[in-house]
Amino acid sequence: AQTVTQSQPEMSVQEAETVTLSCTYDTSENNYYLFWYKQPPSRQMILVIRQEAYKQQNATENRFSVNFQKAAKSFSLKISDSQLGDTAMYFCAFMKPSNAGGTSYGKLTFGQGTILTVHP
Amino acid sequence: EAGVTQSPTHLIKTRGQQVTLRCSPISGHTSVYWYQQALGLGLQFLFWYDEGEERNRGNFPPRFSGRQFPNYSSELNVNALELEDSALYLCASSSDRIPGNTLYFGEGSWLTVV
Repeated sequence: AQTVTQSQPEMSVQEAETVTLSCTYDTSENNYYLFWYKQPPSRQMILVIRQEAYKQQNATENRFSVNFQKAAKSFSLKISDSQLGDTAMYFCAFMKPSNAGGTSYGKLTFGQGTILTVHP
Repeated sequence: EAGVTQSPTHLIKTRGQQVTLRCSPISGHTSVYWYQQALGLGLQFLFWYDEGEERNRGNFPPRFSGRQFPNYSSELNVNALELEDSALYLCASSSDRIPGNTLYFGEGSWLTVV
């Protein structure tokens, strides 16, 4: 079974600074997707960024970028120019193909989450 | 475009009762996923429905059940409620036309069992 580990239960950062959240995962699959989701106090899960395992280039979405190290099975999230609105729980998640052909995907497996607090 | 909608948003039930939670996916999405987020336990996978069929099920007792209708909306039913069923129940939808079947979540249904 796939596992996702987030080793930092809580992190804090000053507004406008940069912070990196860590995530490691365990899988024997070669084809899969990795995600970071954000869950603010409203509790709605919001997609932050997505990475395809077959792509070597790290995904970027505005102030959010990832450092994807496939061999090390590491997938960290960097938030630049942190804003107060970034305060939330961040979840790393893994999705593997649900069929042998790798064209259909099944359930999303989540890490335990990292609470990020951005201070003014 | 409307997002994933869930109802009710909050409800309180008594131990032993039954509850039904509802989810409407994003238009065009055929897959619906249910997750339980209990305090301190992270997100636990409940079910995955696609095209009306249950494709995968998490490690939950049989009193948790669900179904998907022809219009792709879904229900989660929990019988014989226990105190530890108190949680946020999140529904998500997806489509195989979306890269990686990315899941888009609703705002959840808060269930409190007393």
